[in-house]
Amino acid sequence: DGGITQSPKYLFRKEGQNVTLSCEQNLNHDAMYWYRQDPGQGLRLIYYSQIVNDFQKGDIAEGYSVSREKKESFPLTVTSAQKNPTAFYLCASSRTGTHTGELFFGEGSRLTVL
Amino acid sequence: KQEVTQIPAALSVPEGENLVLNCSFTDSAIYNLQWFRQDPGKGLTSLLLIQSSQREQTSGRLNASLDKSSGRSTLYIAASQPGDSATYLCAVLQSYNTDKLIFGTGTRLQVFP
Repeated sequence: DGGITQSPKYLFRKEGQNVTLSCEQNLNHDAMYWYRQDPGQGLRLIYYSQIVNDFQKGDIAEGYSVSREKKESFPLTVTSAQKNPTAFYLCASSRTGTHTGELFFGEGSRLTVL
Repeated sequence: KQEVTQIPAALSVPEGENLVLNCSFTDSAIYNLQWFRQDPGKGLTSLLLIQSSQREQTSGRLNASLDKSSGRSTLYIAASQPGDSATYLCAVLQSYNTDKLIFGTGTRLQVFP
């Protein structure tokens, strides 16, 4: 079945460590996105990519990094520079590159900093 | 700056009721509006997408309407069931920044038997 796979589902990190969240899609979508969800707040865009080898910062990119070497993959690294990394992270993709189409989400990765 | 508001934040209804969830936005210059469902600890599932030129979309027991001029959308759920219990989020796509969806904070719905 086509879809978006995020891993790991749960991740614990010590302060000062970098961690990488995986996002893979087999929908043949051009665009991929990373969102962060915190309790009581709407989803906020971290980074997005409309095409391979290109990506753009979203509203809250500080302390995060991404790469888009393959169409199917858009990993997110949460660096030690991110001051409040504990959150639920959601990866999404869409058929077109300009958000005009329907957005499909993965199951999410919950990161907890100890 | 676009702001998306969903009221109420939480709603509890008995099974079988027809209900309406509200979504309002401050800037009417949007390309589309999308409704999502989120189960606890899960990702979002797209329910309905309404383009700015459309007035409504229907899928099964769900009907979403869009009134751009008043900055409002409603999600109508007919004959609610316990399985409808989830958080419902709306999101708008700005027309002058085509890569940013602005999400509301959601309405948490509980349907009890």
